[in-house]
Amino acid sequence: SQQGEEDPQALSIQEGENATMNCSYKTSINNLQWYRQNSGRGLVHLILIRSNEREKHSGRLRVTLDTSKKSSSLLITASRAADTASYFCATVGNLGSARQLTFGSGTQLTVLP
Amino acid sequence: DTAVSQTPKYLVTQMGNDKSIKCEQNLGHDTMYWYKQDSKKFLKIMFSYNNKELIINETVPNRFSPKSPDKAHLNLHINSLELGDSAVYFCASSRGLQETQYFGPGTRLLVL
Repeated sequence: SQQGEEDPQALSIQEGENATMNCSYKTSINNLQWYRQNSGRGLVHLILIRSNEREKHSGRLRVTLDTSKKSSSLLITASRAADTASYFCATVGNLGSARQLTFGSGTQLTVLP
Repeated sequence: DTAVSQTPKYLVTQMGNDKSIKCEQNLGHDTMYWYKQDSKKFLKIMFSYNNKELIINETVPNRFSPKSPDKAHLNLHINSLELGDSAVYFCASSRGLQETQYFGPGTRLLVL
């Protein structure tokens, strides 16, 4: 079964607003990663947050991780039209095949100019 | 200077055919992967290959086989193609099995 589930499935906002996407997962993890996919393109890595970290920043991106709730959030501040893409969370476990990246279903973000 | 490249970009073929998709990375990574993304954008790991250790997702049919001639290449061979194999296939690589992955541009496979 799928490890990560993103919420919402789709999000539409105005340029300049903040966008928040959430991810929930089921089993223990080594780390959690967020990726972006522009339409018709490959995935691009955004941030990796390890299980012993609670928050990480990269430019306009802020990721939080709550291992007690098995959830993570991605915040994009001051959004731009170029941020329009699908955003995926992916978890990495510690044992056997769980060490592979397991992706959620993604959030489609549309930023309107 | 493409880090992870795949060929071909598009592949249209008939049911029952055998085809291969090639992947090359110039990042010096030890681990490579193949993913399948369906029409609903759900991305699923098929294989990971790390220092000759092959981890296979148990749901992958044995018609799919990865072949690694060297550390920089992981090709995907598909036998007896079926309609349900139509999808976008992504190759990726990383330094280690649990690290950040770098994706190729994808191969769009359409089986008629």
